[in-house]
Amino acid sequence: DTEVTQTPKHLVMGMTNKKSLKCEQHMGHRAMYWYKQKAKKPPELMFVYSYEKLSINESVPSRFSPECPNSSLLNLHLHALQPEDSALYLCASSRTGETNEQFFGPGTRLTVL
Amino acid sequence: AQSVAQPEDQVNVAEGNPLTVKCTYSVSGNPYLFWYVQYPNRGLQFLLKYITGDNLVKGSYGFEAEFNKSQTSFHLKKPFALVSDSALYFCVVRDELGYQKVTFGIGTKLQVIP
Repeated sequence: DTEVTQTPKHLVMGMTNKKSLKCEQHMGHRAMYWYKQKAKKPPELMFVYSYEKLSINESVPSRFSPECPNSSLLNLHLHALQPEDSALYLCASSRTGETNEQFFGPGTRLTVL
Repeated sequence: AQSVAQPEDQVNVAEGNPLTVKCTYSVSGNPYLFWYVQYPNRGLQFLLKYITGDNLVKGSYGFEAEFNKSQTSFHLKKPFALVSDSALYFCVVRDELGYQKVTFGIGTKLQVIP
């Protein structure tokens, strides 16, 4: 299984809502990533987990809260988002180490009203 | 610090002609270079990578890339372009001193004209 799955595919939420994005992989990868991608722009790295521990937080606002409950799952909890947070949120996984390519999920299209 | 530049926002090429998508990089240590492709409304797919060894790297879908250390470049190439190659291409750099950081280029839109 070389697939990274993400749910939901689309999400519309108000600025006072709490929601979560989910990501799952069964490739045995111990590095997992969250990216934010605006239209026609490159993905921006948000968080990196290595062996279920947060190793990189790219100064992401606290209204985004990541969680890695086990080696196969990655969540992104959302609370009090702003309209400018509307974007495609991509999850990726890889074997640990900088030489390894990442496998990306299809993304969650988030709209904040 | 690490950075990557893709100097062309868009590349147009006729079907059947060779294509090149340019990428230059800057890293502190040894570079690890990747190319990914993104089709509309989809996630990214890995094409190829350079870690060490042979400067010419072959990847998926007939793509290849040439690592040039003196010019700090890693251009993506294909001898015969297909209409189905039309997509957004990202060059990505990591380095041995990067502590898991991943840096994407701005992306180059490839348009293959029938």
